[in-house]
Amino acid sequence: DTGVSQDPRHKITKRGQNVTFRCDPISEHNRLYWYRQTLGQGPEFLTYFQNEAQLEKSRLLSDRFSAERPKGSFSTLEIQRTEQGDSAMYLCAREGLARDTQYFGPGTRLTVL
Amino acid sequence: DQQVKQNSPSLSVQEGRISILNCDYTNSMFDYFLWYKKYPAEGPTFLISISSIKDKNEDGRFTVFLNKSAKHLSLHIVPSQPGDSAVYFCAARNTPLVFGKGTRLSVIA
Repeated sequence: DTGVSQDPRHKITKRGQNVTFRCDPISEHNRLYWYRQTLGQGPEFLTYFQNEAQLEKSRLLSDRFSAERPKGSFSTLEIQRTEQGDSAMYLCAREGLARDTQYFGPGTRLTVL
Repeated sequence: DQQVKQNSPSLSVQEGRISILNCDYTNSMFDYFLWYKKYPAEGPTFLISISSIKDKNEDGRFTVFLNKSAKHLSLHIVPSQPGDSAVYFCAARNTPLVFGKGTRLSVIA
């Protein structure tokens, strides 16, 4: 158990629809990360939070993407007007207490038709 | 510009033998290196890590070696077991993590 749950595990949607994913880390860990993984690639960084503050966003995070962590615990990632190129595994990770390791959740597999 | 490279997409090893997975990096600012194992439809599972101030870290069957001058690290698995068959990712930390593309390890019984 990595201490990170994600919901849903799978999402199929039609192009142009909005989708929202949720990540729940065990509560006492402050940093939370979002990554995206496509076929044949390693996970690619999207954004991360320190408590409720969003500290960094990658260039991969277009204006159709928004992430929040309203109370410094769970986080949501929303994609508006989905495109087929958004199809990927979306991974959430919590930082370990020693801040030297990240532990990943099971991911949300998004398929955009 | 790929900062972390795993140049072998796949590796096959006989059960009981040593598996050696390699990783090269370009950014001298990376201060920590990690190896993850991934099964299909699951998130990456942390295996082992090493600080940039060390050259070796061992945990059971897994050993990671770091050669800073060559900007190279490797993961050794001894002895290899069929359950080790998975995709292995090398990652480097400069907050956040930067991952390689992975190496698929197949351990043949």
